Amino acid sequence: AQSVTQLGSHVSVSEGALVLLRCNYSSSVPPYLFWYVQYPNQGLQLLLKYTSAATLVKGINGFEAEFKKSETSFHLTKPSAHMSDAAEYFCAVSGSGGGADGLTFGKGTHLIIQP
Amino acid sequence: DSGVTQTPKHLITATGQRVTLRCSPRSGDLSVYWYQQSLDQGLQFLIQYYNGEERAKGNILERFSAQQFPDLHSELNLSSLELGDSALYFCASSVSSSGNTIYFGEGSWLTVV
Repeated sequence: AQSVTQLGSHVSVSEGALVLLRCNYSSSVPPYLFWYVQYPNQGLQLLLKYTSAATLVKGINGFEAEFKKSETSFHLTKPSAHMSDAAEYFCAVSGSGGGADGLTFGKGTHLIIQP
Repeated sequence: DSGVTQTPKHLITATGQRVTLRCSPRSGDLSVYWYQQSLDQGLQFLIQYYNGEERAKGNILERFSAQQFPDLHSELNLSSLELGDSALYFCASSVSSSGNTIYFGEGSWLTVV
């Protein structure tokens, strides 16, 4: 069974400050890990994806995430927040290879950017 | 634009009714997924089809059913609707059945009154 825990349902940072959104996963097989972003009234857009290649994954809009197996974490960071980053962020896990599976999502973190 | 198309974008219906949500996957994608997003349950995986066949089932109610047609489009049928079924229903697609990036449509907003 797979699960994802996102720490903090709401995170507030000042414009220009570091963004850190936390994600811990549980998976019985080597995982694929994803971060998606959802802007208001829109669908989910893929930010980045980890597939067992490099542990530091760079995504769109200046975001990156680091896979740490020892900590079962896949935290999302961005050095300098922009107002346009305000959105809901979802971490998700998928089992690797073998059978079919959908993504298991965390409950989401609402990122608020203070001017 | 992810390339995944969902219709209708908004739907209001009464309790006890039945609705059908339609999804066209990205060109070349064989796998279609349905998800439900609600305030209390978050994003829940409902069901997956791959090349016309059911591949995985998640938290899908017995009142709900889905299918994928030979042209790979998919429909999610929701029947005997209840107020609690009000949610945003997402369709997503990927190239194969597992491990690939899953691309999401913009969703169908269902309101049951």
